[in-house]
Amino acid sequence: EVQLLESGGGLVQPGGSLRLSCAASGFTFSSYAMSWVRQAPGKGLEWVSAISGSGGSTYYADSVKGRFTISRDNSKNTLYLQMNSLRAEDTAVYYCAKDQAGIVVVPAAPWDYWGQGTLVTVSS
Amino acid sequence: QSVLTQPPSVSEAPRQRVTISCSGSSSNIGNNAVNWYQQLPGKAPKLLIYYDDLLPSGVSDRFSGSKSGTSASLAISGLQSEDEADYYCAAWDDSLNGRVFGGGTKLTVL
Repeated sequence: EVQLLESGGGLVQPGGSLRLSCAASGFTFSSYAMSWVRQAPGKGLEWVSAISGSGGSTYYADSVKGRFTISRDNSKNTLYLQMNSLRAEDTAVYYCAKDQAGIVVVPAAPWDYWGQGTLVTVSS
Repeated sequence: QSVLTQPPSVSEAPRQRVTISCSGSSSNIGNNAVNWYQQLPGKAPKLLIYYDDLLPSGVSDRFSGSKSGTSASLAISGLQSEDEADYYCAAWDDSLNGRVFGGGTKLTVL
């Protein structure tokens, strides 16, 4: 059974940093691209970042480019999101999601499994 | 303002059929596949339809997807109370070089 478990969320002040983790199990982690998707309170979904199975290719939404860094440790079956220079508008539940297609980030590929999310609150 | 446009809400009676639209442009829906997600209250999103009209294993065949030009649609037939949820369309956008979502549609089963 595929499981994705996010952790690392919490309250952080504007300008601060936070690192999210997503522990994966139930599939060959290194064989699949992964993504982070967020949802502000009461709002819709927003794609944040994606990474290929090898970690060699990364993609970011304009809203987080230069502030967030996606990475993965395939030996630990774990996906990360390093968030720096956090702003109030980054407040959201952050979900990790598994790409259905495979090791490469395929633009049209759906996310077939999602974690339960971790809440990040940016406030003074 | 979302890149893909969905109606904020739709409602219909049980056992009826409802359609949710998703409008985009040539840089997203017009040139890339559309995926649909269902988000039950307080839960994580779930894949509902992928590559425009394919049904994932385990998803009821009461759900169907279609696409024409720069618009896509999700249809739900035989509405049940458990279908009450938020529904999101998503696609890759060639201009933004990233994945984009619709703003979501809240379905109410009357």
